[in-house]
Amino acid sequence: EAGVAQSPRYKIIEKRQSVAFWCNPISGHATLYWYQQILGQGPKLLIQFQNNGVVDDSQLPKDRFSAERLKGVDSTLKIQPAKLEDSAVYLCASNHLRGVPYEQYFGPGTRLTVT
Amino acid sequence: SQQGEEDPQALSIQEGENATMNCSYKTSINNLQWYRQNSGRGLVHLILIRSNEREKHSGRLRVTLDTSKKSSSLLITASRAADTASYFCATDRVRGAQKLVFGQGTRLTINP
Repeated sequence: EAGVAQSPRYKIIEKRQSVAFWCNPISGHATLYWYQQILGQGPKLLIQFQNNGVVDDSQLPKDRFSAERLKGVDSTLKIQPAKLEDSAVYLCASNHLRGVPYEQYFGPGTRLTVT
Repeated sequence: SQQGEEDPQALSIQEGENATMNCSYKTSINNLQWYRQNSGRGLVHLILIRSNEREKHSGRLRVTLDTSKKSSSLLITASRAADTASYFCATDRVRGAQKLVFGQGTRLTINP
């Protein structure tokens, strides 16, 4: 089966600009996650979707970050305006059943550099 | 906030030796998972151990869980150069939520 797809793989922007990332999860996976991974750290959950509804966005900086998952399939994560501290890898992951401890499948990530 | 803390932060061994990484966490969990991340790549799931399990094996991997000490260890036997990667433990605390909290990771280097 095809894995989790993300684009772009790399993005360089200046601070105060906006940027968007796209994720297409594995077909049939109802749950989709966006993580932020700063260099040298583990991934930190930003937002979790179940189909097209938000399950958890407690760590999403809502003044500048937004995410949507229209139709419960692919998803976009947007940052507007970007700050220097947003430089990180943004990982998308998915899995298919809520309530069962299944592994998460990760995409390759988008490396964002804010200058 | 990070739930798990991996120890050591970095480990360098010779090919063929065994590698042991430890993970400690703070609150009660439903299960604990280990993931591997190669440089510039996404994370790959290695193994899941439930809170009522004490040990689990998968190929050259052996994971132990001690809920009384809130700790887990990952042992990789007969290491290979391809095992060079960062290893993360992740805990699932809330039943049904499928929300993982990752540690800082251990960077493992296997020298040929």
